[in-house]
Amino acid sequence: DSGVTQTPKHLITATGQRVTLRCSPRSGDLSVYWYQQSLDQGLQFLIQYYNGEERAKGNILERFSAQQFPDLHSELNLSSLELGDSALYFCASSAEGRLYEQYFGPGTRLTVT
Amino acid sequence: QKEVEQDPGPLSVPEGAIVSLNCTYSNSAFQYFMWYRQYSRKGPELLMYTYSSGNKEDGRFTAQVDKSSKYISLFIRDSQPSDSATYLCAMRGLTGGGNKLTFGTGTQLKVEL
Repeated sequence: DSGVTQTPKHLITATGQRVTLRCSPRSGDLSVYWYQQSLDQGLQFLIQYYNGEERAKGNILERFSAQQFPDLHSELNLSSLELGDSALYFCASSAEGRLYEQYFGPGTRLTVT
Repeated sequence: QKEVEQDPGPLSVPEGAIVSLNCTYSNSAFQYFMWYRQYSRKGPELLMYTYSSGNKEDGRFTAQVDKSSKYISLFIRDSQPSDSATYLCAMRGLTGGGNKLTFGTGTQLKVEL
């Protein structure tokens, strides 16, 4: 158990809908990262937050957004969902000064029908 | 061309064999090199990390980095059925880009009795 929690575990929704994925980092970790994992693209970095502020952006679509709250939990919002958004979404966290150690949550499996 | 290339496998070996997993990369700015293990339907788990070139050993696992060739390896000695998983290499630069990790697509390993 990495100490990172994610909810829900599974999500099934229809095209055009909007969903919110939630992540709680390990105790004391200020950085939260979101990744998308699909069969053909592998694990792709989406976005990083550090102590409530956006720190880095990867291949995140404009339909997707994220935020980190004062209690350090984070939410990833996916809107106008398309079939191609079906994937595993992982959250990871890291401690201050530990650039290379990211701990991953169990993931949310999103299925868009 | 992807920044990080990894043979997807699957790689099947008998129990007790030495396993060699490899990644090549093109970005010379990468300085941190990580190996993650991912069991089916689970989040990636950090196995080892190496800074710059050299070797690092941890139990049955040895990580090697050859920056001159842009080639990294993970060796697993005395492989066990419990080592059956997908192994992902990941890399990041020293500065900039937040703590963004760039992942390989993973090599699926099966250790058979």
